Amino acid sequence: EVQLVESGGGLVQPGGSLRLSCAASGFSLRSHWMHWVRQVPGKGLMWVARIDGDGSSRTYADSVEGRFTVSRDDAKNTLYLQMDSLRGEDTAVYYCAREGAGDLLCLYDYWGQGSLVSVSS
Amino acid sequence: EIVLTQTPLSSPVTLGQPASISCKSSHSLVHSDGNTYLNWLQQRPGQPPRLLIYKVSNRFPGVPDRFSGSGAGTDFTLKISRVEAEDVGVYYCMQATQFRPWTFGQGTKVEIK
Repeated sequence: EVQLVESGGGLVQPGGSLRLSCAASGFSLRSHWMHWVRQVPGKGLMWVARIDGDGSSRTYADSVEGRFTVSRDDAKNTLYLQMDSLRGEDTAVYYCAREGAGDLLCLYDYWGQGSLVSVSS
Repeated sequence: EIVLTQTPLSSPVTLGQPASISCKSSHSLVHSDGNTYLNWLQQRPGQPPRLLIYKVSNRFPGVPDRFSGSGAGTDFTLKISRVEAEDVGVYYCMQATQFRPWTFGQGTKVEIK
């Protein structure tokens, strides 16, 4: 059974850092592109970052480029989002999401439960 | 960036009655490979989103057949043939034709009258 379990969220001051983790089970991260998507509570969804199957391609939304870093530990089968220089507008629930493969490219077939990041002094 | 505009933003529906949500794109969603990567997601209260429909009209495994998607180019529609209590939530269209970024509609809240 495919599962994505996130951790690492919490309260951080503006300018601070936080690292989110997304532990994957039931499949190998090497076989799927993985994404981070965020949602301000009560608001809509926004794509944040993507990493490809072999970890060589990483892409970011303009609003987080240069501050956030997506990475993977294949031995732990875990996805990460390192968030630095955090701002109030980064406050959101962060979801990791698996992109499908084969005929199911360009969609999210599994989502984590979400991890709340609050940036406030 | 492709902008997706959903209407209505709120849809009160009587149980057993149909519901329809429109999603209009600022640009054609036909990809150079010939596919149209327009998906529909459902987000129940307190839950992460889940995939309902992909590539305009394909139901994801496990999705009830009361959900259907249609459309082409820039205009798309999600229909629920007979709304059930478990369908309450927010529905999002999402385009994956142009990257980066993939973008989402602003969401339509379906609630029971």
